[in-house]
Amino acid sequence: KAGVTQTPRYLIKTRGQQVTLSCSPISGHRSVSWYQQTPGQGLQFLFEYFSETQRNKGNFPGRFSGRQFSNSRSEMNVSTLELGDSALYLCASSLALTGGSGELFFGEGSRLTVL
Amino acid sequence: AQTVTQSQPEMSVQEAETVTLSCTYDTSESNYYLFWYKQPPSRQMILVIRQEAYKQQNATENRFSVNFQKAAKSFSLKISDSQLGDTAMYFCAFMKHPTGTASKLTFGTGTRLQVTL
Repeated sequence: KAGVTQTPRYLIKTRGQQVTLSCSPISGHRSVSWYQQTPGQGLQFLFEYFSETQRNKGNFPGRFSGRQFSNSRSEMNVSTLELGDSALYLCASSLALTGGSGELFFGEGSRLTVL
Repeated sequence: AQTVTQSQPEMSVQEAETVTLSCTYDTSESNYYLFWYKQPPSRQMILVIRQEAYKQQNATENRFSVNFQKAAKSFSLKISDSQLGDTAMYFCAFMKHPTGTASKLTFGTGTRLQVTL
């Protein structure tokens, strides 16, 4: 069974640009969530999508957005990039069953550098 | 809101020895899950062990075990017979009991564990 796949793995952007990151969850997983990891702030929850609907959102500005497609693949977008957006962006998928194990399966991440 | 605190930024242990990583949390929830995730230098986060709050028995997974003290809101990880491959960042994490409406993890700041020869 293939794991969570994130693309691209590395990318470099300049301030003011926008970026789109992609995540393909494990087959059968309907929930995809995104986390930002930085040395200063640690791991912070961005948002979660389930069956194409955003059902939970972290405390990030509106420049951060996402969506989920009917095949459960998800994308996140960051517009008007700032230096502080440099981070490792992790995607995680889960079955998200009521009363389930709660285990999230993570991808290897997309390393974004903003110059 | 939930908070998770890991007070040990770095730890070191010799191969074959035992090490304990500390984690405390704060929540008003009565039903929740606690996790330890491992992030090796290759970066992919993997689950080490999970504990359901309503279960009094401490979870174990081979060389990994937890000491879950619900009243004290403490959730420490013990690694026995440490191996070089255990070198990684370890994150303690909290999740409200999955209800079908959310599966959000709140992470601690992590403990960097170095296993030495």
